[in-house]
Amino acid sequence: EAGVAQSPRYKIIEKRQSVAFWCNPISGHATLYWYQQILGQGPKLLIQFQNNGVVDDSQLPKDRFSAERLKGVDSTLKIQPAKLEDSAVYLCASSPRVRQETQYFGPGTRLLVL
Amino acid sequence: AQTVTQSQPEMSVQEAETVTLSCTYDTSESNYYLFWYKQPPSRQMILVIRQEAYKQQNATENRFSVNFQKAAKSFSLKISDSQLGDTAMYFCAFSAGGTSYGKLTFGQGTILTVHP
Repeated sequence: EAGVAQSPRYKIIEKRQSVAFWCNPISGHATLYWYQQILGQGPKLLIQFQNNGVVDDSQLPKDRFSAERLKGVDSTLKIQPAKLEDSAVYLCASSPRVRQETQYFGPGTRLLVL
Repeated sequence: AQTVTQSQPEMSVQEAETVTLSCTYDTSESNYYLFWYKQPPSRQMILVIRQEAYKQQNATENRFSVNFQKAAKSFSLKISDSQLGDTAMYFCAFSAGGTSYGKLTFGQGTILTVHP
């Protein structure tokens, strides 16, 4: 079974530029999560999708971050414009259903904003 | 809101020995799940073990076991016969039941180094 795929693995941009990350969850997984992991900290949930609907985006900085999950499969997370404090690893995870299911994580995208 | 605290930023252990990582949490929920995730330097987060709060029996997975003290809100991870491949960052995580939709709240992490 293929795992969660993410791309790119690394990205370096200058502040005020825009960037997009892509995630492909495990086949058949209904729930998809985006987490932000700042160096030295635990991951923090940004947004959660159930199929193609958002169920939690309370910690997503909506003035600059956006995410979509078209057709309930792949997802894209965008930052526009980026700030220095957005430097982090962005992790995508998926689980078969909502609630209590184990989440399977992708390798992450490491973003550096200069 | 739930909080998860890992009070040990770094731990080290000799190969083949046993080490225990600590985790405490705070919640008003009665139905919840606790997890330990491992994140090696390659950064792929991997589930180590999970515990359902309604189960009194502590979870075990081969060399990994937990000590779940519900009243004390404590959830420690014991690694027996430590191996070099156990070197990683370990995160304790909490997921509430009910309407939380499975969101994970993570602790700050503990860096574990296994020495030969």
